[in-house]
Amino acid sequence: DTGVSQDPRHKITKRGQNVTFRCDPISEHNRLYWYRQTLGQGPEFLTYFQNEAQLEKSRLLSDRFSAERPKGSFSTLEIQRTEQGDSAMYLCASSNKAGGRGDTQYFGPGTRLTVL
Amino acid sequence: AQSVAQPEDQVNVAEGNPLTVKCTYSVSGNPYLFWYVQYPNRGLQFLLKYITGDNLVKGSYGFEAEFNKSQTSFHLKKPSALVSDSALYFCVLILSGGSYIPTFGRGTSLIVHP
Repeated sequence: DTGVSQDPRHKITKRGQNVTFRCDPISEHNRLYWYRQTLGQGPEFLTYFQNEAQLEKSRLLSDRFSAERPKGSFSTLEIQRTEQGDSAMYLCASSNKAGGRGDTQYFGPGTRLTVL
Repeated sequence: AQSVAQPEDQVNVAEGNPLTVKCTYSVSGNPYLFWYVQYPNRGLQFLLKYITGDNLVKGSYGFEAEFNKSQTSFHLKKPSALVSDSALYFCVLILSGGSYIPTFGRGTSLIVHP
């Protein structure tokens, strides 16, 4: 079991730059989720995919954020024109649809973004 | 709107004593409830979940939780705490129907003293 992996683990960027993160889910999992976590808070849901279809997107997600999962395997999360408020840990998780809404999510180690 | 509250930012307990980490929720509809744990420098890990059936749910590492619909609570418990249980615990709510948006509580830091 290789688990969920995320790349990079850390990213430092300057305000206004674009950044892209990658998530590789557990191989047999067809659902993939993105969250954002700031210090002292629980993870905040951003979006989720079932295979390549993006089925849910948080209303809190700015238009500067976009996520893709083109072949139903890995996913990318892009943030355009980064702002200091985007500094956070970005978490990816995956699950197997067989469990329905009660499926267990398996989390990656996260990508820590710092916007200067 | 759905919400999860973890009223305690931190819980302190002596090793060997029972522990409780509290979670209450607010939702229109039937909830699915989960507990996840985050150890220092490690990713979030699943502990247990309530979907349907028995209100008492048993999970990993000797943890259990009781779903109480009348009190809208899902408190996490363990009969005898270990120092290695020290971590950050999150309660999570998902609606059984409608919009699929997992809602996490703010987290409770559990500190078990030797």
